[in-house]
Amino acid sequence: LAKTTQPISMDSYEGQEVNITCSHNNIATNDYITWYQQFPSQGPRFIIQGYKTKVTNEVASLFIPADRKSSTLSLPRVSLSDTAVYYCLVGGAGGKLIFGQGTELSVKP
Amino acid sequence: DVKVTQSSRYLVKRTGEKVFLECVQDMDHENMFWYRQDPGLGLRLIYFSYDVKMKEKGDIPEGYSVSREKKERFSLILESASTNQTSMYLCASSTSGQGNQPQHFGDGTRLSIL
Repeated sequence: LAKTTQPISMDSYEGQEVNITCSHNNIATNDYITWYQQFPSQGPRFIIQGYKTKVTNEVASLFIPADRKSSTLSLPRVSLSDTAVYYCLVGGAGGKLIFGQGTELSVKP
Repeated sequence: DVKVTQSSRYLVKRTGEKVFLECVQDMDHENMFWYRQDPGLGLRLIYFSYDVKMKEKGDIPEGYSVSREKKERFSLILESASTNQTSMYLCASSTSGQGNQPQHFGDGTRLSIL
């Protein structure tokens, strides 16, 4: 099973670009990479998903190198409301979905 | 809009009690999941179900069972609650059990076992 590793915490300032990297050395051929955002007292919320190369939506970009052993979530121009925990998820035929431990992002004014 | 509803936000039970956590989704999703979330450990999969009456164990199924009698409802059962099952429990649903579609989460049940 693919285990994921993320930084435990990160600090940033409003207006900056934030990049959070997730390592998943044992990712399987059929595994997708998904990122979620979680605020206190709420369930995780889907941000973005990818399989390879680069994916972009209205809130984030996801960069996946050719070997797929890591991925980077990029949040452009963060605001205070982006303060949250971000989870990297790799999975998963058979429902074997592995969440990372999460990165606590703190955005300061 | 997608909706996953967990029956209780907070629940306090005693050791040895049988505890039921209920989850309902309104999206007609085949796949439903139960996770527990603990500080420093992230989310860990307890069980998931890919169809009515079908289930598979996740990473930490010990001490838990599940029931899926109807497509929209997935129940987590603690047969004999213990203090180490004090945790936040999250339910999710998805069109896919393969990880290639987003999971939609409820807001969780914070369970305390005394």
